[in-house]
Amino acid sequence: DTGVSQNPRHKITKRGQNVTFRCDPISEHNRLYWYRQTLGQGPEFLTYFQNEAQLEKSRLLSDRFSAERPKGSFSTLEIQRTEQGDSAMYLCASSPRQSSYEQYFGPGTRLTVT
Amino acid sequence: DAKTTQPTSMDCAEGRAANLPCNHSTISGNEYVYWYRQIHSQGPQYIIHGLKNNETNEMASLIITEDRKSSTLILPHATLRDTAVYYCIVRPPGTYKYIFGTGTRLKVLA
Repeated sequence: DTGVSQNPRHKITKRGQNVTFRCDPISEHNRLYWYRQTLGQGPEFLTYFQNEAQLEKSRLLSDRFSAERPKGSFSTLEIQRTEQGDSAMYLCASSPRQSSYEQYFGPGTRLTVT
Repeated sequence: DAKTTQPTSMDCAEGRAANLPCNHSTISGNEYVYWYRQIHSQGPQYIIHGLKNNETNEMASLIITEDRKSSTLILPHATLRDTAVYYCIVRPPGTYKYIFGTGTRLKVLA
């Protein structure tokens, strides 16, 4: 069991640049979530995939954010024209069909926008 | 969206039961309550969930009041490794959006 993996673990970028994060869920988990977490706050839901279909997206997510899960396995989260307010930990979680209540979280990608 | 309210922090002596309360007074009838915890620098970890009845697993017990407006997570014999932020979470019906609050920072003291 390799768990959920996320790459990179840390990313420092300049304001205005685009960044892309990758999440590899646990094998055969058909559900995948992205969250954002800032210091002292709980994770904030961004988006949800069931297989390759993006079924829900937070209204808080601006047009600069996009996520994909093209073959229902790994997922990518892209942020275009980064802003300092995008600095946060980006967490990915996956869950299996038979116990969808239990999300397995990855270690996160910490983004710092300078 | 339903929200949860938790105390900011709590201390508990090692070996004693830790009782973590959560208020979810706006929860709807078919909305589950979930508990996760987050140990420093790690992703959250699932603990338990429930709808109406009390639940128990190898990690914890969940007591939900009859009116479902509040619940309590019980760690029966807290250890130092239970030091973490504990989140009480709801998911509005018809969505996949799990709403985390700010959580309770539990410190288990030796």
